[in-house]
Order: sequence, then structure tokens, then C-alpha cells
Amino acid sequence: DAKTTQPNSMESNEEEPVHLPCNHSTISGTDYIHWYRQLPSQGPEYVIHGLTSNVNNRMASLAIAEDRKSSTLILHRATLRDAAVYYCILRDPDRGSTLGRLYFGRGTQLTVWP
Amino acid sequence: EAQVTQNPRYLITVTGKKLTVTCSQNMNHEYMSWYRQDPGLGLRQIYYSMNVEVTDKGDVPEGYKVSRKEKRNFPLILESPSPNQTSLYFCASSFSRGSYEQYFGPGTRLTVT
Repeated sequence: DAKTTQPNSMESNEEEPVHLPCNHSTISGTDYIHWYRQLPSQGPEYVIHGLTSNVNNRMASLAIAEDRKSSTLILHRATLRDAAVYYCILRDPDRGSTLGRLYFGRGTQLTVWP
Repeated sequence: EAQVTQNPRYLITVTGKKLTVTCSQNMNHEYMSWYRQDPGLGLRQIYYSMNVEVTDKGDVPEGYKVSRKEKRNFPLILESPSPNQTSLYFCASSFSRGSYEQYFGPGTRLTVT
């Protein structure tokens, strides 16, 4: 599976936008970019996913570089509840037996200051 | 409320004493899986099931068993737990194995002494 690289940690102030980067220079043409987050003492939670175009949902926006070698998860106004570990994951929806498997790296620990 | 539930949430046991961690989902999902989370190693898949009576190994299946007799339940069985199975365990489910969104349970923290 293609590898992703994320900063170990980032900080933000409450109500400010947060841009979480992810590099995936070996991404294949059929890999989707997924973001999950894990709040303290909870299971991972789906945030957003995309293939080529930028995506928006109620939680966040996903900006994908034109060459798809990097992407950025955007939280438009960080809240204290957004403090979590954010994981960038590549997944090919048509790839054989490992199809359902999510490969979590170390992610980015986001700290939000009041 | 759509959810994945796990029981127990916390368990301390001794080496060799068989235990079962239950997982149940109320979303009629076909795909279910178990992960373990360890510091520095992230989350790794133990077993998965694509539907009733269909299960297969993930990345770290040694020492674990699973069964899928009903669509909603996917128990994780440790026949003879060992200290290296001390970990945080998560059950996950999705509509199908290709679904974009997987739902995770709250976790079971297991300590084997």
C-alpha cells in the first residue's frame, strides 16, 4: 500500500482554521484519500474522503493537489472537541482481499488551545 | 442510534484464561473487523468478516479466533491469552468491504497478566 507522511503534531487556537497536511507521493491512480480521526479514549471516526476533486462535508474540507501527491484536511473553525489524532489513509476500493482494511499510520496529534 | 458496541470496555485477566470480547452493530452492515492498537504500532487488523459465516485473517491473527454466526455480531475470542495480547481492541463495521466509511466501536482495553 502507498505510504502517507504526516507531521507528528500541530497546534491551533480555538475558532481558527486548521490545515492538516498529508504527503502521499507514491499514490496510485485508483487510491482514494481517506481521513479518520481518533478523539481521546474513543474509536476512530470517519471524517472525509476524496479521489481527485476537493470535497466538503459538515465536518471538514479536503483539498487534493492537482498531481495527487499531497492533500490537506481543512477544519474551518477549530473547536476544543476537534483535538484528536488525525489519520490520512490511502485505499483502493477495488483492491482484492485487503479491500476493507484501513492502514493507520501514526497520524497528526492536533492540540486546540482555548 | 446507529452504533457499534463492544463489551466489556475494560478487562484484566490472567494468562491462559479464555475470554471473549463481544461486538455488535445495529446498522445491518455486512463487513466487520477487529483491530488492535498498540503504542508506536498504530491500529492493525486482526480478523475481518465479509458476511455471515465468512471470515478471514487480517495482518495479526495469531492467538485470536472469530466467528460470524449472525450478521450483527462478531465476537473476538482469545482461547489462551498471553501478556503480548495486552492492547486496546476496536471492532469496526461498514455496509460492505468497499464502503468509504467504517464505524468503530468505543474500544476494549485488555490487560493480560
